[in-house]
Amino acid sequence: GAVVSQHPSRVICKSGTSVKIECRSLDFQATTMFWYRQFPKQSLMLMATSNEGSKATYEQGVEKDKFLINHASLTLSTLTVTSAHPEDSSFYICSAGSRGDQPQHFGDGTRLSIL
Amino acid sequence: AQSVAQPEDQVNVAEGNPLTVKCTYSVSGNPYLFWYVQYPNRGLQFLLKYITGDNLVKGSYGFEAEFNKSQTSFHLKKPSALVSDSALYFCAVRDRGTNAGKSTFGDGTTLTVKP
Repeated sequence: GAVVSQHPSRVICKSGTSVKIECRSLDFQATTMFWYRQFPKQSLMLMATSNEGSKATYEQGVEKDKFLINHASLTLSTLTVTSAHPEDSSFYICSAGSRGDQPQHFGDGTRLSIL
Repeated sequence: AQSVAQPEDQVNVAEGNPLTVKCTYSVSGNPYLFWYVQYPNRGLQFLLKYITGDNLVKGSYGFEAEFNKSQTSFHLKKPSALVSDSALYFCAVRDRGTNAGKSTFGDGTTLTVKP
């Protein structure tokens, strides 16, 4: 089946640091990728939809300048958390979109901890 | 607009007993319906889907789900639970007219199977 690789799996860094998370589709081309944030309560929050070759579409309430998304190729989308602060600590998950009746394919997530 | 409700945050069952995780949905057209499972610090894994046809869908690890159009439900079931089934389960819906495979997810249900 389709595989989505997400790196790094865990990041611990100081407040003010910018952190880049990569999401790669390993065996298929993903024109669309989704970025989610998962809170300790467990629900998934869709942050943005990443479209290859064009600007990402952000959900209401998500700061575009804070969470920079780049989807420069059909196999790679990146999320950069700029000037991260402790409140940005969370579990971030990417997913490749799919058409029709096919399920989404998820990366294994990135645990971001800002000290 | 589409939405999903998982009315139970937590489901507890004894090993060997049947389990049910509930899901109801709302969508303007005909839906695609999905169940995913998430283990700690991992991404979501696809379990099963409903597209059309037989209302009882069988998926991975012995799970099945019953589509009920009149009740707009898609409950996940398993005849005999295993301790290893303990995880977080998400129901998702996608309107067939939706582009790029964007699904709407429920808030998740934590399943705990006790020995």
